[in-house]
Amino acid sequence: GQNIDQPTEMTATEGAIVQINCTYQTSGFNGLFWYQQHAGEAPTFLSYNVLDGLEEKGRFSSFLSRSKGYSYLLLKELQMKDSASYLCAVLDSNYQLIWGAGTKLIIKP
Amino acid sequence: DVKVTQSSRYLVKRTGEKVFLECVQDMDHENMFWYRQDPGLGLRLIYFSYDVKMKEKGDIPEGYSVSREKKERFSLILESASTNQTSMYLCASTGGDRESQPQHFGDGTRLSIL
Repeated sequence: GQNIDQPTEMTATEGAIVQINCTYQTSGFNGLFWYQQHAGEAPTFLSYNVLDGLEEKGRFSSFLSRSKGYSYLLLKELQMKDSASYLCAVLDSNYQLIWGAGTKLIIKP
Repeated sequence: DVKVTQSSRYLVKRTGEKVFLECVQDMDHENMFWYRQDPGLGLRLIYFSYDVKMKEKGDIPEGYSVSREKKERFSLILESASTNQTSMYLCASTGGDRESQPQHFGDGTRLSIL
């Protein structure tokens, strides 16, 4: 079966750095997405990786290793507004998105 | 800016009722999707559509149907609502090259079936 694993919950301190991991086992791979979802709101797109390596966008970076079936989202200079759930999703061989359950990130002052 | 609008944020219905959830996008997107989101589970695809009058089953279509009569509107129908369909329902859309285009989501409808 297809599976996406990410930690259920993480806690970090304002101003610090946090890394949210995502491992996947899917039938084929056509890219990996990260979304942010604040409580009670819609998921919003953060990043897309299809090649190995690191993609940087301001305070957020996303890394992909296709051979290891692994990705992470790196958040720097954490702010209170970064408290949210972070969803990892993989586009499989049929171009269907397979979603992880999400990681709830709690930022403490 | 991209806009996906779902008709209701909160909805309470009774078991056995026929329930309609509406979704409208203003981006002229070809592809539209309906998901449900439950605690501890990833988003699960119910149905999707690549064009007007076209629909495809997702992973959990049982108990649901959809309608896409116009490009901008994608409706989800619960034929006879049951308590296990209490959930958050999310609509999304994406443009032509769906392989790499991110999905844009509506704010969701929190549906309770009593």
